[in-house]
Amino acid sequence: DGGITQSPKYLFRKEGQNVTLSCEQNLNHDAMYWYRQDPGQGLRLIYYSQIVNDFQKGDIAEGYSVSREKKESFPLTVTSAQKNPTAFYLCASSTTDSSNQPQHFGDGTRLSIL
Amino acid sequence: AQSVAQPEDQVNVAEGNPLTVKCTYSVSGNPYLFWYVQYPNRGLQFLLKYITGDNLVKGSYGFEAEFNKSQTSFHLKKPSALVSDSALYFCAVRVGTGGFKTIFGAGTRLFVKA
Repeated sequence: DGGITQSPKYLFRKEGQNVTLSCEQNLNHDAMYWYRQDPGQGLRLIYYSQIVNDFQKGDIAEGYSVSREKKESFPLTVTSAQKNPTAFYLCASSTTDSSNQPQHFGDGTRLSIL
Repeated sequence: AQSVAQPEDQVNVAEGNPLTVKCTYSVSGNPYLFWYVQYPNRGLQFLLKYITGDNLVKGSYGFEAEFNKSQTSFHLKKPSALVSDSALYFCAVRVGTGGFKTIFGAGTRLFVKA
């Protein structure tokens, strides 16, 4: 079955540590996205990528970094500069030929501070 | 600024009764409107979308939504609620051709009581 796989499901970060969240899709989608979900705030866009080797900052990119070396993969690194990283992180993908197509989401990674 | 509002944090309804989850939007240009559902510790699942045409859109699991251009609303409805419909519902909007950014509402938690 086609879909988006996020790993790990739960992740703990120590002070000063960088951590990387994995996102892989086999839907052959060009566009991929990272969102942060906090209670009562909906989803906020961190980064998005429309094509391999290209990505753009979203609304809350500070303290995060991404790469897009392969079409299938869009890992997110939460750096030590992100002072409040505790949240539920969602990866999504979509086709880019039309903006009327919905996004497909993974099942998320919950990041907590040790 | 473009925005989506879900005015109710929570909606409570008895099983078998009709339900409505409200959404209003503010965008420039022609909006593409979406509803997603999220179950605990899962990603978002697409329910339905409005692109153009009939103002009443039918989607998955018996849900439908009514687009009202004059009131800039896109309320989600279901004629008869099920306990299994209890979840977090998000309204979202994308704007125009090639618009890759999706704006999400803060979410409405639906409780269906048996």
